Amino acid sequence: KAGVTQTPRYLIKTRGQQVTLSCSPISGHRSVSWYQQTPGQGLQFLFEYFSETQRNKGNFPGRFSGRQFSNSRSEMNVSTLELGDSALYLCASSLDRGSNQPQHFGDGTRLSIL
Amino acid sequence: QQQVKQSPQSLIVQKGGISIINCAYENTAFDYFPWYQQFPGKGPALLIAIRPDVSEKKEGRFTISFNKSAKQFSLHIMDSQPGDSATYFCAASGSFTGGGNKLTFGTGTQLKVEL
Repeated sequence: KAGVTQTPRYLIKTRGQQVTLSCSPISGHRSVSWYQQTPGQGLQFLFEYFSETQRNKGNFPGRFSGRQFSNSRSEMNVSTLELGDSALYLCASSLDRGSNQPQHFGDGTRLSIL
Repeated sequence: QQQVKQSPQSLIVQKGGISIINCAYENTAFDYFPWYQQFPGKGPALLIAIRPDVSEKKEGRFTISFNKSAKQFSLHIMDSQPGDSATYFCAASGSFTGGGNKLTFGTGTQLKVEL
């Protein structure tokens, strides 16, 4: 079974631009969550999508948004990029919702803001 | 109340030794505690997980010990190998409002296993 696939792997943008990251979950998985990983803040939850609806949101500004499609694939968008948005963005998928659902991560998209 | 505190920040262990990483949480509504292993350039990989109704869970060389009253849990890596050198994260989630699949992570432990 293929794992969680994130594209692109690397991205370089400049301040003020916007970016869209893509995540394909493990086949059959219906829940997709996004996390930001930085050396200073560690791993922080961005949001969770299930059945094309955002079910949960972390403490990030409105510039961070996402969506999920009917095939469970998900995208996240960051508008008006800031230098502090430089991070590894990770997507995780699980079979279903619920706190005890094992979540499996992709290898992330490394976003660098110049 | 949502924090998960992890220690130590870094750890050096000799090959064949036992690596021990500790985590503590505050929110008693957490009911799922996974551990992840992350290699450079890769995403976190799920190692092992435990629920609070169990005090210990073992999978191969990896064991989670869970102390519900102390609100602490730890990862033990037996017979540590150089290939275990990675960053380890503890995490917690709970079925409360704002919980669901949201994982709250510890700050990570960089493990180095020396020959």
